[in-house]
Amino acid sequence: KQEVTQIPAALSVPEGENLVLNCSFTDSAIYNLQWFRQDPGKGLTSLLLIQSSQREQTSGRLNASLDKSSGRSTLYIAASQPGDSATYLCAVRKENFNKFYFGSGTKLNVKP
Amino acid sequence: NAGVMQNPRHLVRRRGQEARLRCSPVKGHSHVYWYRQLPEEGLKFMVYLQKENIIDESGMPKERFSAEFPKEGPSILRIQQVVRGDSAAYFCASSSSTGVYNEQFFGPGTRLTVL
Repeated sequence: KQEVTQIPAALSVPEGENLVLNCSFTDSAIYNLQWFRQDPGKGLTSLLLIQSSQREQTSGRLNASLDKSSGRSTLYIAASQPGDSATYLCAVRKENFNKFYFGSGTKLNVKP
Repeated sequence: NAGVMQNPRHLVRRRGQEARLRCSPVKGHSHVYWYRQLPEEGLKFMVYLQKENIIDESGMPKERFSAEFPKEGPSILRIQQVVRGDSAAYFCASSSSTGVYNEQFFGPGTRLTVL
């Protein structure tokens, strides 16, 4: 059974700092991995999707890496801003058209 | 392009009542997934449906919960005789049969409160 763990559970940083969020999964046979952002009381916003054959994806100040063999992914946020404050969720899919397995999230607070 | 739509956004029910949650997928999408999020937790898969078929219901509680995705109309998640433990946010996602990555697009969720 696939289990997804995110560390840390919460993180508070001053504005401008670069930071790394971690995600680990127990079964390395994945189809893809996706990072989402969730604002309080809101739905999910997709940030980056990495296929199993890819090593990383970048979008603006965000960079996500994937090391399938070790069951790890990281989300790097450069020059953090208060608007980045949210919960970040990592999710993996085992096969195409299959369900996501979600981590419990990292709650990020960027202080002005 | 309208994304995934869910209604109602907030639903309050008393114990023992029925809750019906609706999900309209992205136009043209034929795959629908339902997830539940308890407070301070990640999303947990409940059920995966294609038009008129349940493909995977391994995350659905055995009793009181049911889901459907008819040929016409939205997908419905139905919870009978709700209990306080059913209070959660319920998210629907949809994906297409075509496309390279078949990305799942999530709706805004329905927040169910059971009094």
